[in-house]
Amino acid sequence: NAGVTQTPKFQVLKTGQSMTLQCAQDMNHNSMYWYRQDPGMGLRLIYYSASEGTTDKGEVPNGYNVSRLNKREFSLRLESAAPSQTSVYFCASRGAEGNQPQHFGDGTRLSIL
Amino acid sequence: LAKTTQPISMDSYEGQEVNITCSHNNIATNDYITWYQQFPSQGPRFIIQGYKTKVTNEVASLFIPADRKSSTLSLPRVSLSDTAVYYCLVGARLAQRFGAGTRLTVKP
Repeated sequence: NAGVTQTPKFQVLKTGQSMTLQCAQDMNHNSMYWYRQDPGMGLRLIYYSASEGTTDKGEVPNGYNVSRLNKREFSLRLESAAPSQTSVYFCASRGAEGNQPQHFGDGTRLSIL
Repeated sequence: LAKTTQPISMDSYEGQEVNITCSHNNIATNDYITWYQQFPSQGPRFIIQGYKTKVTNEVASLFIPADRKSSTLSLPRVSLSDTAVYYCLVGARLAQRFGAGTRLTVKP
């Protein structure tokens, strides 16, 4: 019963490098989310995907791109990493019926030097 | 967009009841209120959700007044294992906003 799986769990990058964070869910959920979590700021939405083939910018999308590859997978890409993107990144998914809560992965801890 | 505000930290002792309040003055008519618990090195985990009045499940209660501008998460008889960060979320999809989280420390 995996739920939401994020890879990698940890990563260190140099400024200017690129990287893709992977997320997959096995709950047949339509909606998927990418967040960043910084001390004292809670979780801020980077991108949202309501269904396969659709994506929308959230509160803090600058410097990021996403791909909703299929219903299961939603990836987050940093094209040119900056130290300000050092954070913990969480992926979540949510079912379409009613007001179901989001299910979160355990995060990717990303440090950019 | 609803701005959510919650206390930064709270302390309690084992066996006590803990109430954490979240303020959301700009809540929209269709917004639900959801609370999550987060332990270190883990993702947030769903605790409880409500729209109005009172909701109770096996681990918590959620109180929402008639004007819905705030909500209170109630944890009965906390234990050391309830030490965690608790987040309030208002809304869903693009219009959602998380609070900054309340760090609850339960002492023996």
